[in-house]
Amino acid sequence: GEDVEQSLFLSVREGDSSVINCTYTDSSSTYLYWYKQEPGAGLQLLTYIFSNMDMKQDQRLTVLLNKKDKHLSLRIADTQTGDSAIYFCAGPGSNDYKLSFGAGTTVTVRA
Amino acid sequence: NAGVTQTPKFQVLKTGQSMTLQCAQDMNHNSMYWYRQDPGMGLRLIYYSASEGTTDKGEVPNGYNVSRLNKREFSLRLESAAPSQTSVYFCASSEYGSKNIQYFGAGTRLSVL
Repeated sequence: GEDVEQSLFLSVREGDSSVINCTYTDSSSTYLYWYKQEPGAGLQLLTYIFSNMDMKQDQRLTVLLNKKDKHLSLRIADTQTGDSAIYFCAGPGSNDYKLSFGAGTTVTVRA
Repeated sequence: NAGVTQTPKFQVLKTGQSMTLQCAQDMNHNSMYWYRQDPGMGLRLIYYSASEGTTDKGEVPNGYNVSRLNKREFSLRLESAAPSQTSVYFCASSEYGSKNIQYFGAGTRLSVL
């Protein structure tokens, strides 16, 4: 299977950019994902990137992939209070049906 | 379009009691999953069903059983609940080959006293 690691906490001021980092071990061609979990809710897919891409942008979200270092990041521009949540990085699991999730980064947006 | 629906949303059990968590999806997905979420540990896979008629163990299957009732429904049973099973349980579904994106339910918050 794949190990996925991410830092546990991030505090950011409203209006600043947030950057959430993730490292993974799998080298296969595959999709990598970012999920968002708001308090009391399930996980919602935010965005994904295929491993042959370096960058993907979707409105305020930018995903950067460094394949050499196996490093994935999610940048949120102009962070808002509604962005306070837990963000999970996910990659392939030990077979084609599974995903491996990081422990989640809790992002707190302060005024 | 409901997506993945889990029932109940909350449950309190006494040690030794049994219960079944229900999950249904309306996206015609082949694969379904049960996870538990504990603070600082992310999501851990309990069981999954790659397709109707098959089930397989995940990382933490002990103390649980599952049934893939049909293509839509996948239930998780705790035969004799223990305090260590206090957690938030999530059901998910996906379509193999379609970027393998997993779609999650809202969760069941279970406390075992």
